[in-house]
Amino acid sequence: EAEVAQSPRYKITEKSQAVAFWCDPISGHATLYWYRQILGQGPELLVQFQDESVVDDSQLPKDRFSAERLKGVDSTLKIQPAELGDSAMYLCASSLTRGSDTQYFGPGTRLTVL
Amino acid sequence: AQSVTQLGSHVSVSEGALVLLRCNYSSSVPPYLFWYVQYPNQGLQLLLKYTSAATLVKGINGFEAEFKKSETSFHLTKPSAHMSDAAEYFCAVSGGTASKLTFGTGTRLQVTL
Repeated sequence: EAEVAQSPRYKITEKSQAVAFWCDPISGHATLYWYRQILGQGPELLVQFQDESVVDDSQLPKDRFSAERLKGVDSTLKIQPAELGDSAMYLCASSLTRGSDTQYFGPGTRLTVL
Repeated sequence: AQSVTQLGSHVSVSEGALVLLRCNYSSSVPPYLFWYVQYPNQGLQLLLKYTSAATLVKGINGFEAEFKKSETSFHLTKPSAHMSDAAEYFCAVSGGTASKLTFGTGTRLQVTL
């Protein structure tokens, strides 16, 4: 069964450093989502792509976070500089098309900022 | 706008007992509703979804949920708990296809012998 791939699975960094996370959605999935999940809470959407275009980035802290999906396939989420409050699980999800209701999640990247 | 309230951050049941995890939603449009399960340090796995078809939805691993519009609820049940069901369960709502999911705060299910 096809899966959403994410790397790295774990990342430890010091505050003020730059970090980057990578996501490869299920082949053929046009819509890609990045969520942040703080410990003990549910995931919250950071950014949504339709192909290579951003559809929703209203909750993305744009002063330090950036996301891209240049060829409409895989995606990178970057944080620069990282802050202590960025420690969380970063989840990537994908869905087949704009007409699809089901999002499939990857295993996530656990970020710890020291 | 959509929101989800999960009643009970922790639920403990004995193995073989009924599992009931509560979810109430708020939505300004006909909602799509989902239950996901998350095991430690893993991503979310879809258990089941409601997308305006049958109000009783059957999912994987013996779970099911019933959409009750009058009560704005979508509670998750399983007749007999198994040790492997111990995990975090999230209820989520969206406003339709390709819409962002709004998650509840989760319910941690503990299964005891």
